[in-house]
Amino acid sequence: QQQVKQSPQSLIVQKGGISIINCAYENTAFDYFPWYQQFPGKGPALLIAIRPDVSEKKEGRFTISFNKSAKQFSLHIMDSQPGDSATYFCAASIGQAGTALIFGKGTTLSVSS
Amino acid sequence: KAGVTQTPRYLIKTRGQQVTLSCSPISGHRSVSWYQQTPGQGLQFLFEYFSETQRNKGNFPGRFSGRQFSNSRSEMNVSTLELGDSALYLCASSLGSATNEKLFFGSGTQLSVL
Repeated sequence: QQQVKQSPQSLIVQKGGISIINCAYENTAFDYFPWYQQFPGKGPALLIAIRPDVSEKKEGRFTISFNKSAKQFSLHIMDSQPGDSATYFCAASIGQAGTALIFGKGTTLSVSS
Repeated sequence: KAGVTQTPRYLIKTRGQQVTLSCSPISGHRSVSWYQQTPGQGLQFLFEYFSETQRNKGNFPGRFSGRQFSNSRSEMNVSTLELGDSALYLCASSLGSATNEKLFFGSGTQLSVL
């Protein structure tokens, strides 16, 4: 029940295309859903985050869509660029658990030029 | 503003040894969290320290321990190393004053156990 399932494991998108990564969870107590981006040799960096009282959040080319009833959320990267090539992790946490994020297994995105 | 600094960057140890990893958080951040990253298990939460006290703990054996100093710097110790402890150990800092705060990760310490 503590898992966050992420798909696909890897993704290849043409430059200018839309990248979509999906995550699903079971624990309805989760109240915070961030997405992290990680480049080789670096630690993860927060991209965008959403709380369950909001169905969509957009920051630049990055959008989170959240479906509370389906217990699913997704990251959309519009106009994907080669510089977006990285590993993306979804995560979830319960506010009371502090910084204890439950991460998905990650999606390796390659944007071809 | 300097980011989260982890030292050393790489470490090679043999089974049975112990190891200490260090983390310096962003100035002003009072919370330090540790995560283990492996290809098989992904990112897993180890523990969080705030004001020199362990505030939360993940599901790892007691061989994994940590501490935090008065200047918020933190160390993580792994005793009696096993091959399966080979991983990237990531430290993340945050202000620590609210729930669901943004975490700032360091680049990690890559530990290899031979």
